[in-house]
Amino acid sequence: GQNIDQPTEMTATEGAIVQINCTYQTSGFNGLFWYQQHAGEAPTFLSYNVLDGLEEKGRFSSFLSRSKGYSYLLLKELQMKDSASYLCAVSLDRGSTLGRLYFGRGTQLTVWP
Amino acid sequence: NAGVTQTPKFQVLKTGQSMTLQCAQDMNHEYMSWYRQDPGMGLRLIHYSVGAGITDQGEVPNGYNVSRSTTEDFPLRLLSAAPSQTSVYFCASSYGLGGAGNEQFFGPGTRLTVL
Repeated sequence: GQNIDQPTEMTATEGAIVQINCTYQTSGFNGLFWYQQHAGEAPTFLSYNVLDGLEEKGRFSSFLSRSKGYSYLLLKELQMKDSASYLCAVSLDRGSTLGRLYFGRGTQLTVWP
Repeated sequence: NAGVTQTPKFQVLKTGQSMTLQCAQDMNHEYMSWYRQDPGMGLRLIHYSVGAGITDQGEVPNGYNVSRSTTEDFPLRLLSAAPSQTSVYFCASSYGLGGAGNEQFFGPGTRLTVL
């Protein structure tokens, strides 16, 4: 089976930087997605990595190391509205599972004033 | 563009009842999927479709049926509801299968309770 791990909960203060880690062991790899999900709402796309390295998008950055099966989402200058669940998802590349997304259980981030 | 729409938003069923969750998208996406989200379990794929007339099973397909007669619509049918199907159901669509530019767009969800 596919295994995607991320911490259950994290807390941080407004204005700080937080790093949310995701490790994966999957039968194939065609990229890693990060989604944000506010309570009671749908997940929304944040970032995509398929090559090793850092992708930066404003206050959010995402890093991937394929050899280590590891990714992280870095959130800078935290704001109260960043309080949400952050979902790591791996896309597979083989046969009948091509393109299917497998999600981690999500990391609930709480930002305190 | 309405994006991905789902109806109903809330539903309460009795054990053994059947119902259909509706999902539609207006982005001309080929790929559509249904997920369920349970506390502490993350999103799990129920069924998916790579185009009109083509569907396949995901991780947790038992108790659910799907069909895809048009590009826009992808309904999910519960044949005989069970309490274990109490969950939040999300429909999602994307242009293609994984990879850059193929992020999934999610509908607002249907919160289903089976008594």
